[in-house]
Amino acid sequence: DSGVTQTPKHLITATGQRVTLRCSPRSGDLSVYWYQQSLDQGLQFLIQYYNGEERAKGNILERFSAQQFPDLHSELNLSSLELGDSALYFCASSTSGRRTGELFFGEGSRLTVL
Amino acid sequence: ILNVEQSPQSLHVQEGDSTNFTCSFPSSNFYALHWYRWETAKSPEALFVMTLNGDEKKKGRISATLNTKEGYSYLYIKGSQPEDSATYLCAFNPRSNDYKLSFGAGTTVTVRA
Repeated sequence: DSGVTQTPKHLITATGQRVTLRCSPRSGDLSVYWYQQSLDQGLQFLIQYYNGEERAKGNILERFSAQQFPDLHSELNLSSLELGDSALYFCASSTSGRRTGELFFGEGSRLTVL
Repeated sequence: ILNVEQSPQSLHVQEGDSTNFTCSFPSSNFYALHWYRWETAKSPEALFVMTLNGDEKKKGRISATLNTKEGYSYLYIKGSQPEDSATYLCAFNPRSNDYKLSFGAGTTVTVRA
């Protein structure tokens, strides 16, 4: 158990809908990362937050948005869902914003868009 | 897009044999290299974070080396066991204000008993 909690674990929804994925980092971790893993793809970096502020942005679609709240939990909002958004979404946390800090991954939220 | 490549994509190893595989990354812009193990139905777990050229790290039967000048890292598994079966991911941090950690596609290791 990494200490990172993601909910929901599984989610099935229809095209055009909007969903919110939630992540609670390990106690004391200030950085939260979001990654997407689609079929036959590696982990694709979406976005990173550090202590409530956006620190780095990857190839995150405009239909997607995220934020980190004062209690350090984070939410990833996916809207106008398309079939291609079906993927496993991972949240990871690290102690600080240092780039040498190892990431602790949650178990992921598997999104299926029908 | 940072080009982090891992090879081979997959390999099969007999129990007790040793094996190794490669992670390649841009050599001109290096800050840190991470290795993670990802077992089926679980989440990735950190093995090593390496920052210095020539660095060698070891955890049990697994070890890694780093060559930042030529842009590669090797992961070694000595005396493979069935529990070593997993996908091994490397991830690269560039030297810049860019905090993205870019992952390779992974090497999937299957250890046959």
